[in-house]
Amino acid sequence: EAQVTQNPRYLITVTGKKLTVTCSQNMNHEYMSWYRQDPGLGLRQIYYSMNVEVTDKGDVPEGYKVSRKEKRNFPLILESPSPNQTSLYFCASRASSTEAFFGQGTRLTVV
Amino acid sequence: DQQVKQNSPSLSVQEGRISILNCDYTNSMFDYFLWYKKYPAEGPTFLISISSIKDKNEDGRFTVFLNKSAKHLSLHIVPSQPGDSAVYFCAASAMDTDKLIFGTGTRLQVFP
Repeated sequence: EAQVTQNPRYLITVTGKKLTVTCSQNMNHEYMSWYRQDPGLGLRQIYYSMNVEVTDKGDVPEGYKVSRKEKRNFPLILESPSPNQTSLYFCASRASSTEAFFGQGTRLTVV
Repeated sequence: DQQVKQNSPSLSVQEGRISILNCDYTNSMFDYFLWYKKYPAEGPTFLISISSIKDKNEDGRFTVFLNKSAKHLSLHIVPSQPGDSAVYFCAASAMDTDKLIFGTGTRLQVFP
């Protein structure tokens, strides 16, 4: 079954404690990205990757890092989380010029 | 600057009637447009798409219309069903960047 898997689904953490949200896809897609969803702001792209070792900033990259060492994995790293990063995060993958497939989401709360 | 806009945050429609969700965009380089549906506690799921070379695409109860001169697209759902109640996002991408840009979403409620 084609899917994008992200973990964890829910996470509560404290300010400044580094965390990683994992994302894995089994469709051999070149393109992967991370979004955050906030009320009234829709889905905003954080970072994206067009292939292994190729990553670039999206619209709201501040406070986040990513890596793409393998085609299937695209983890999102928060080195020093802050309360304004409390949000709902989605990982997505797509082949070129096709629809994106999304993971189930990670609800992050930073206190 | 919001390149993809959904100006109606919510829409309420009676079951069996038509639902029309609207989306406007500003970037003339966009050449591929998509609609996604999102239920609470789930990721967005792809619904229907349209290429800029077309002005209409239909899939069952769902039809997307594209008006390039007005930089406007719409999603029609006929007939609307209670299971269609969800948040709908439109998205656009340009061939040169392959980056998907989303609107802010419209919450559709279909009542009996």
